[in-house]
Amino acid sequence: SQELEQSPQSLIVQEGKNLTINCTSSKTLYGLYWYKQKYGEGLIFLMMLQKGGEEKSHEKITAKLDEKKQQSSLHITASQPSHAGIYLCGAQYNFNKFYFGSGTKLNVKP
Amino acid sequence: GAGVSQSPSNKVTEKGKDVELRCDPISGHTALYWYRQSLGQGLEFLIYFQGNSAPDKSGLPSDRFSAERTGGSVSTLTIQRTQQEDSAVYLCASSLETGNQPQHFGDGTRLSIL
Repeated sequence: SQELEQSPQSLIVQEGKNLTINCTSSKTLYGLYWYKQKYGEGLIFLMMLQKGGEEKSHEKITAKLDEKKQQSSLHITASQPSHAGIYLCGAQYNFNKFYFGSGTKLNVKP
Repeated sequence: GAGVSQSPSNKVTEKGKDVELRCDPISGHTALYWYRQSLGQGLEFLIYFQGNSAPDKSGLPSDRFSAERTGGSVSTLTIQRTQQEDSAVYLCASSLETGNQPQHFGDGTRLSIL
């Protein structure tokens, strides 16, 4: 959606390398979510960020929301082949509308 | 099961036929959402329910699309007179309530219109 821009669109990294995916909003976010999707499957919830400056971690994945609540980054440390998939950010702006970014396709080469 | 359940997982039908997709949300989740994901595209929000009511139906692509939810639980998305451009994966999600609660997704229904 135009409300949420993700970058890069695709990423190929060597196993063990770190990487960052960005999600930028045209408007102040009410809350932001990160999901992971594997081909042919539904979305797996990773993390939710609500407060400006908030940072959350789960295993080797860390997500941050900037102070202005318009940009979020997802950082993977020491990537593994199991991290491969499509990462999507999602947000709610008003009561009735929900938006997702177009996704970042991640490939991790062994 | 404990997750969101969608059926069928795959549906192949001829152009012009009607199809009905079903979503069974996580027990206790009052909010239910429908999305469409076309090949290589992001998620397109279609409609959401809070309980049995859908406050905003403007996300539905055309009047051939309709959705209902009864008993605050199962929802069906119906596409009438299907067209080839309706081919996509239809994803359903549920959350405890609307307003900053994470949505939990089903595995989707892959719809193919011949």
